[in-house]
Amino acid sequence: DTGVSQDPRHKITKRGQNVTFRCDPISEHNRLYWYRQTLGQGPEFLTYFQNEAQLEKSRLLSDRFSAERPKGSFSTLEIQRTEQGDSAMYLCASSPLTSRSLYFGPGTRLTVL
Amino acid sequence: GESVGLHLPTLSVQEGDNSIINCAYSNSASDYFIWYKQESGKGPQFIIDIRSNMDKRQGQRVTVLLNKTVKHLSLQIAATQPGDSAVYFCAEEGGSNYKLTFGKGTLLTVNP
Repeated sequence: DTGVSQDPRHKITKRGQNVTFRCDPISEHNRLYWYRQTLGQGPEFLTYFQNEAQLEKSRLLSDRFSAERPKGSFSTLEIQRTEQGDSAMYLCASSPLTSRSLYFGPGTRLTVL
Repeated sequence: GESVGLHLPTLSVQEGDNSIINCAYSNSASDYFIWYKQESGKGPQFIIDIRSNMDKRQGQRVTVLLNKTVKHLSLQIAATQPGDSAVYFCAEEGGSNYKLTFGKGTLLTVNP
């Protein structure tokens, strides 16, 4: 399977704990995006990388959230001191420079107890 | 504010019928639109896209229509099948960094 992959698929954590998610984009896709989706809503943009550079962050991304893409390939999204409101599906998407459409991974579903 | 929204939150059709899912957008600067299909527990899956210099684009069993005058987008699915049951999102792009803004979604249920 050469699509976008995300790990883990599901994460249950207690409030106050830190969590980290990983995204492996489609090979050679320069652009990588993180979105968050809550039940019944469309995905909301969180942050965007072009290669290793983080070029845009949403106001939704509080100081507890940090994302990295150190080598321009895989990316990680870390949430520190999780809150119940962080419970959502975290989606990663990638895109080549030659396309405007995003290809999404299966998501990581986070539940904060 | 600028937003992308859907007229109908749910749509129920009989197998074999044609389905039409509508979407309104308010950002006149948007010049690229995409329809995604999302099945339960999965990420959004690309269906079809259209640029603002086009009014219509066809794919396999799907057609997207764009009316820039009234800022309206629709997705037509021909001969709807049970496997088409999912939530459908329209998304727009027209700002920086090619990021998409999604609407709320329409749940399509296909009855056998």
